[in-house]
Amino acid sequence: AQSVTQLDSHVSVSEGTPVLLRCNYSSSYSPSLFWYVQHPNKGLQLLLKYTSAATLVKGINGFEAEFKKSETSFHLTKPSAHMSDAAEYFCVVSDLSGATNKLIFGTGTLLAVQP
Amino acid sequence: DTGVSQNPRHKITKRGQNVTFRCDPISEHNRLYWYRQTLGQGPEFLTYFQNEAQLEKSRLLSDRFSAERPKGSFSTLEIQRTEQGDSAMYLCASSLPTGDNEQFFGPGTRLTVL
Repeated sequence: AQSVTQLDSHVSVSEGTPVLLRCNYSSSYSPSLFWYVQHPNKGLQLLLKYTSAATLVKGINGFEAEFKKSETSFHLTKPSAHMSDAAEYFCVVSDLSGATNKLIFGTGTLLAVQP
Repeated sequence: DTGVSQNPRHKITKRGQNVTFRCDPISEHNRLYWYRQTLGQGPEFLTYFQNEAQLEKSRLLSDRFSAERPKGSFSTLEIQRTEQGDSAMYLCASSLPTGDNEQFFGPGTRLTVL
C-alpha cells in the first residue's frame, strides 16, 4: 500500500530564509509523487511532480523537491521564502496498485512566513 | 476558463436534507475523481470515474452517497439525509489517462450541515 507522512504539521520561517517541508513515502511500486499547495479559500494547485525521471524536480514559484529512494523521502525546498508562500502544503503519492491511480494525501504542513 | 469547475461553491443545509453537487472537468479529461477534505486534514478519495463508468468507490462513501457521470462529461455527487458529519469540502479533480496521473482540482464545494 502507498502512503505519505509529512513530518511537520506547522513550519514557521522568516521572509527571505530557506524553506524545508519534509515528506517520507511508502510504496510497493516506483512511486509518482507530487506536492500540492492550498491557499486559504482557494483550490489545490500542483507545485511539482516526480515520475521516475530526474530525481531533482523543479516546480513553480522557485520550489524544488528531491526524490531520494534510499531515504524514501521527497522533501520540498525553496531557497528564500516570500510572504505569498504562506499556505498549506500537501505531499501526495499516486496509488498505482489498481486502475484508478487515486491520490493519497499527507496530513499537510501549514507554512507561516514571518516578516 | 478551461479549468475544473464546481457548483455550488458553498452549501448550507439542515440535517436530513438532500444535497447535490456538480463538477465539470476539463473537457478532454476522461478520468474524474471526487475527494472529501475535512478541517485540518488532507483530501481523501471518495470515488473514480473513467468516462461514464464508476470504477471505484471508497469505504467512506456510505449508501447515502451516490455519484453519477451519465455522459462521461460532468459529474454529480448526491448526499441523501445529510448528517452533521458530512460537513466538509468536496473536491473534484480530472486527469488524462497518462502515466504521471497529474490531477487538476476544482475549487471545491464547502458543505455545512446544521
